[in-house]
Amino acid sequence: GENVEQHPSTLSVQEGDSAVIKCTYSDSASNYFPWYKQELGKRPQLIIDIRSNVGEKKDQRIAVTLNKTAKHFSLHITETQPEDSAVYFCAASNPGGYQKVTFGIGTKLQVIP
Amino acid sequence: DVKVTQSSRYLVKRTGEKVFLECVQDMDHENMFWYRQDPGLGLRLIYFSYDVKMKEKGDIPEGYSVSREKKERFSLILESASTNQTSMYLCASSGLGTGHSGANVLTFGAGSRLTVL
Repeated sequence: GENVEQHPSTLSVQEGDSAVIKCTYSDSASNYFPWYKQELGKRPQLIIDIRSNVGEKKDQRIAVTLNKTAKHFSLHITETQPEDSAVYFCAASNPGGYQKVTFGIGTKLQVIP
Repeated sequence: DVKVTQSSRYLVKRTGEKVFLECVQDMDHENMFWYRQDPGLGLRLIYFSYDVKMKEKGDIPEGYSVSREKKERFSLILESASTNQTSMYLCASSGLGTGHSGANVLTFGAGSRLTVL
């Protein structure tokens, strides 16, 4: 089955700096890579996703890049703000009809004001 | 607003008890999932269902079973609860596969925190 590795597990940055979280996946058939943000005490919510036919996607201060050859993808957050503090999960999904989504272990991001 | 509702936010059970965790979605989604969330282990898939009465094992199905009698409802059952099943349980749903807008996107419930004593 799919295995998603995520690092770092914790990340502290100064407000205004950039944050990068990296993930690798094992199943070359995976074709969909979402990122979820979970604020303290809340449910995970999708913040950005990318499909395997795209190399990069941006949405305001966040961007995701995908390298299919190397089987890794990354989340980039620029100009970090205190409200970016949360746990971020990367995930990979195979193209099968069952839409099974496998998550990484999560990265706890702390933005220091 | 789309909703995934988990019936219990907090439960405390004793070892050996049978536990039911209920999840209901109002988005007419085909796929439903049960994950457990533990610190340092991320979100691990227990079971998922892609249609009524259909189920597939996830990565950690041991000690759990599921039931999906209606499209909107997906139940997680712990036949005999054990202390190592103390965890946060998250239900999620998603629409049909690739090619559909919003497909693959998981909508999560608020979670059910289970403590087994």
